Amino acid sequence: GENVEQHPSTLSVQEGDSAVIKCTYSDSASNYFPWYKQELGKRPQLIIDIRSNVGEKKDQRIAVTLNKTAKHFSLHITETQPEDSAVYFCAASPDTPLVFGKGTRLSVIA
Amino acid sequence: GAGVSQSPRYKVAKRGQDVALRCDPISGHVSLFWYQQALGQGPEFLTYFQNEAQLDKSGLPSDRFFAERPEGSVSTLKIQRTQQEDSAVYLCASSLAEGNQPQHFGDGTRLSIL
Repeated sequence: GENVEQHPSTLSVQEGDSAVIKCTYSDSASNYFPWYKQELGKRPQLIIDIRSNVGEKKDQRIAVTLNKTAKHFSLHITETQPEDSAVYFCAASPDTPLVFGKGTRLSVIA
Repeated sequence: GAGVSQSPRYKVAKRGQDVALRCDPISGHVSLFWYQQALGQGPEFLTYFQNEAQLDKSGLPSDRFFAERPEGSVSTLKIQRTQQEDSAVYLCASSLAEGNQPQHFGDGTRLSIL
């Protein structure tokens, strides 16, 4: 089955700097790659997603890139703000249920 | 409703008791998913419904776990004879259609087995 690896597990950046989180997947049949933000004790919130027919997608300060050949995808957050601090999860889906990475705890230091 | 609603938010049970967790998906959403999230980990898939049909239950850890969605809307996840390793947050998600569509999560039920 699908296996998703996520790095780094923790990331600290200064406010205003960029943050990059990387994920790799194993199943070449995966065709949908969402990213979720989860604050402590709250629900995972979908922040951006990308499908396998697209290489890059951007939404304001957030962008996701996908390299199907290498089977990896990345989340880029620019101009980070303290409210970006949370745990971020990537996921991949060869069918309908999502397979999640273990998460990255992002801390934005003011 | 405006979002996925889960109840109760917190459940404490003694080992060996049965528990039932409820999920109210977003109105009109065809697909419903249950995930288990252990502390410090990502959600792990348990089971998936399309309307009232349970299409995949490959993630259920044992036959003590049972899920249903009899009328294609509200779903219940039941755990029988609970054990300490069942302690986790149980998340429900729904999506508008079948196939790979954005999944919207509820706040989850935090289950603690004493």
